[in-house]
Parts: sequence; C-alpha cells; structure tokens
Amino acid sequence: KQEVTQIPAALSVPEGENLVLNCSFTDSAIYNLQWFRQDPGKGLTSLLLIQSSQREQTSGRLNASLDKSSGRSTLYIAASQPGDSATYLCAVRPMDSNYQLIWGAGTKLIIKP
Amino acid sequence: ETGVTQTPRHLVMGMTNKKSLKCEQHLGHNAMYWYKQSAKKPLELMFVYSLEERVENNSVPSRFSPECPNSSHLFLHLHTLQPEDSALYLCASSRQGPGGAFFGQGTRLTVV
Repeated sequence: KQEVTQIPAALSVPEGENLVLNCSFTDSAIYNLQWFRQDPGKGLTSLLLIQSSQREQTSGRLNASLDKSSGRSTLYIAASQPGDSATYLCAVRPMDSNYQLIWGAGTKLIIKP
Repeated sequence: ETGVTQTPRHLVMGMTNKKSLKCEQHLGHNAMYWYKQSAKKPLELMFVYSLEERVENNSVPSRFSPECPNSSHLFLHLHTLQPEDSALYLCASSRQGPGGAFFGQGTRLTVV
C-alpha cells in the first residue's frame, strides 16, 4: 500500500534563505508526483507536476526533483519570502489507479520577515 | 485562477436545511472529485466521477449526494447535515492516469 511522508511537519526560517521540503513514497509505481500549496482556509494551488519519466521541474523560484528509485522528491524554494508562508503538500498518483491521489500530511512553512 | 470554480465560497446552514455546492471546470478534464478537509486532518476523498459515472464512493454518509450532469459540472447536494460535517469542501478535476489534479478554492461549510 502506497504511503507518502513529508518531513518536516513544520519549518520556520528567516526571509531570504533557500530551503528544501521533502516528500517520500513507498511504491515507485507512480504516474506522477505533484506539489501543492495551501493557504489557510483556501483551496490547493498546483505548483509543480513531475511525470514519472522526468527528473525535475522548475517554476520561478521553485524546483522540484523526483528520484523514483529511492522514492523521494524534494521541493527547493530559493530566496524565500514571507509570501511563501503556507502549507505545502505532495501527492502521488499510483499506477494501479486512474483517480487516486495519495497525500502526504504536509509541511507548514513560515517565513519570518 | 486554476480553471476550477467552486460556489459558494462560504455557506452556513442549519441541520434541517438542504443546500448544494457547485463545481465547474473548463480544463477539458474527464474526472472530477469531491474532497473534505476538516481542521487539522488530511484530505479525505469523498467521490470521484469519471466521464460522468461515479467510480469511487468512500463510505460517505447518504446525507451527501453527488451529481455529475456533464464532464464540466459537479454538484454536492447536502441535507440534514450534522455539526461535524463542518469543513472545507474541495472540488478537483484531472485527466485519467498521468494528468495532474487541479483544485478549486473550496467551500467553507458551517453547520449550525
């Protein structure tokens, strides 16, 4: 059974730092892995989608990597800003389902001005 | 703007009321989802519709009734809810298989 773990559960860093959020999964048979951002009380915003054949994706200050063989993904945020404060969630789509997303519990990120 | 629109954004209803949540997507996706997110709990998948057929129903109480009249619209009909049903209800859409999922902004539901 696929399980997704995100470490750390919470992270607080000063503005301007580069930081890495981690996501690990137990079964490498996935279609893709997706990183989301959620602001309090709001919906989820898709940040990056990495297909199983890809190694990384970049969008602005965000870079996500995928190492399927080791069951790991990282989300790198460069030059963090207070506006980056949010909960970051990763989810994998397993290959044995067309619809399921298996979710991590999220990392709550606080960027201090 | 994610391409998935949910209305209303906020809803307060009594336990005897009947209301409906609406979700609309114009991304050309063929699967739509309802999720429930309660305070300090992970996302719970409630229903999945693919090509307007319900393909998953995760033991959701019958007071929640989904409807998918076409591939662009999804409803969640609510009746005789309980206070513990108060939560953020999220709609999402995707293509089957390797497509990414895109979410609406959610409906914050409070049952009084």
